Amino acid sequence: DAGVIQSPRHEVTEMGQEVTLRCKPISGHNSLFWYRQTMMRGLELLIYFNNNVPIDDSGMPEDRFSAKMPNASFSTLKIQPSEPRDSAVYFCASSLGSWRGAGELFFGEGSRLTVL
Amino acid sequence: AQSVAQPEDQVKVAEGNPLTVKCTYSVSGNPYLFWYVQYPNRGLQFLLKYITGDNLVKGSYGFEAEFNKSQTSFHLKKPSALVSDSALYFCAVRAVTQAGKSTFGDGTTLTVKP
Repeated sequence: DAGVIQSPRHEVTEMGQEVTLRCKPISGHNSLFWYRQTMMRGLELLIYFNNNVPIDDSGMPEDRFSAKMPNASFSTLKIQPSEPRDSAVYFCASSLGSWRGAGELFFGEGSRLTVL
Repeated sequence: AQSVAQPEDQVKVAEGNPLTVKCTYSVSGNPYLFWYVQYPNRGLQFLLKYITGDNLVKGSYGFEAEFNKSQTSFHLKKPSALVSDSALYFCAVRAVTQAGKSTFGDGTTLTVKP
């Protein structure tokens, strides 16, 4: 059974460029989460969706960040323009059941972003 | 606001010895509690969770955790550590009323020496 699939696994870009990270959740999971991991700040929840609808984006750092979920099997996290402080590992996770439930998170392998 | 504290950045044990990774939490109301493990350059993997009921929860790979409401703790334990258990461990909490928002601790690096 395929897990959460993220692409690209590694991205190196220059400051000011647009970055798009992609995620395919586990089939049948109806909650999707984007996290960012850094040494300084640990794991931060950026945004989460339930049934393709954004529920809470209060963790998105600023307007340069945007996320979409056009259908149940695909989500994107976009950074435009990118800055060096955006360098981090970005994780997508999905969960079965209601976002109000106690379902555990299934994480992808992450996308390591380096902004020069 | 909800929060998680993992008071030890690092835990080192010898193979075959019992291990404990500590976690305390703060939430309003009842919690859902989780443990995840992360190996280098990998995503987090779910180990176990507490929802309600029995305070002792058993999970994957021989791990277990004990929910202690009075001490607001959820320590991860294993009776006999393996070298392959060496990894980064995260405790996470979500208040039952804070749907969707899990808060993660800073992580504890477990090293099991042969």
